[in-house]
Amino acid sequence: ETGVTQTPRHLVMGMTNKKSLKCEQHLGHNAMYWYKQSAKKPLELMFVYSLEERVENNSVPSRFSPECPNSSHLFLHLHTLQPEDSALYLCASSQLLAGGRGEQFFGPGTRLTVL
Amino acid sequence: AQKITQTQPGMFVQEKEAVTLDCTYDTSDQSYGLFWYKQPSSGEMIFLIYQGSYDEQNATEGRYSLNFQKARKSANLVISASQLGDSAMYFCAMREPASGGYNKLIFGAGTRLAVHP
Repeated sequence: ETGVTQTPRHLVMGMTNKKSLKCEQHLGHNAMYWYKQSAKKPLELMFVYSLEERVENNSVPSRFSPECPNSSHLFLHLHTLQPEDSALYLCASSQLLAGGRGEQFFGPGTRLTVL
Repeated sequence: AQKITQTQPGMFVQEKEAVTLDCTYDTSDQSYGLFWYKQPSSGEMIFLIYQGSYDEQNATEGRYSLNFQKARKSANLVISASQLGDSAMYFCAMREPASGGYNKLIFGAGTRLAVHP
């Protein structure tokens, strides 16, 4: 595997289900990100992990719970979601800046539908 | 606060012709970075090109070039010799300073490009 991978690619869940999204990066990066992309809205940053520590949480409801067990893996645990949470969830990774460009590399996303 | 504006919701271009996608930005910082990403229907955001605020030359990457006009705060993407595979959403983004060295990006609303044969 190369780059950033995400599983599953598609997920349909009921409002009472619990599921997890998985992201893995094979780029040796040390920062990872979760974004939400809803129809007709700009990309929204949800969480940032830097060196496995959560450094940003953009007022995301507690029904979304991130986990970063190591620098290569990132999870987003979902429970009691609402239909408005249906969206494309994108994971990204980057090197910490230190003079670099800091471009983020994205995975293919998980298309989530909440019924 | 930083802001990215993409005023063209949709554009179309004939195959093999060039197209310019507009992007303006607002920031009070002297040091910043600008990015363009492509998002095909498959969903993945693909990094295309980067321009640093102190870069004197316009960035180029193959058929992609960035027309950077610092005084006007614009960073337009030019795609030369369009191909059918260029049909996608294109996002302009700006790096926002963040403590801790990680890279926080602010994205525009995007422009949907359709390349016609």
